[in-house]
Amino acid sequence: QVTLKESGPALVKPTQTLTVTCTVSGFSLSTSEMRVSWIRQPPGKALEWLARIDWDDDKFYSTSLKTRLTISKDTSKNQVVLSMTNMDPVDTATYYCAARIDSGWYDYWGQGTLVTVSS
Amino acid sequence: QSVLTQPPSASGTPGQRVTISCSGSNSNIGGNFVNWYQQLPGTAPKLLIYSSNQRPSGVPDRFSGSKSGTSASLAISGLQSEDEADYYCAAWDDSLNGRVFGGGTKLTVL
Repeated sequence: QVTLKESGPALVKPTQTLTVTCTVSGFSLSTSEMRVSWIRQPPGKALEWLARIDWDDDKFYSTSLKTRLTISKDTSKNQVVLSMTNMDPVDTATYYCAARIDSGWYDYWGQGTLVTVSS
Repeated sequence: QSVLTQPPSASGTPGQRVTISCSGSNSNIGGNFVNWYQQLPGTAPKLLIYSSNQRPSGVPDRFSGSKSGTSASLAISGLQSEDEADYYCAAWDDSLNGRVFGGGTKLTVL
């Protein structure tokens, strides 16, 4: 059974760096064709894709946020980590991770973690 | 401004058939598969349709997806009150080299 769980701070201050972690189970981060993405959703707004990391360590970033984002994975811990620098109140959102574990487009989502940016 | 365009709202009465559109371009919908997600209030998005027209097991066959050119559609037949939710389309964009989402459609069951 594939599951994903996001974790991270509930509150960060402006200008700080956010680090959120996605812990997966039911598959390996080294499995061929595996891809994990981060998506966020500000309160009352639409979904926004942020970044993706593949089984072969290929990485993709949102063009509007790429200067602030870093995605990485720790296969031994079954974790994918997203860092976002210089946080601002407009970055307040629920952050989700989602995974595809084969070459198709069926994906699995975590429950999300709400991050509030406030001083 | 989302890359994929959806109507902000849709509505129907119980039993009716409702269609939600998702408009894109050659770099996203025109050349890639589309996923649809259902999001109930306060919950994570749930995969409703993948690869443009495939239903995950457990999703009722009242839900169907289609794609033509640079547009995609989600159809819900036999509308039920529990279908009231936000619906999002998504696709990979070859020009942006990233995934793009629609702005979401809020479905109201009257």
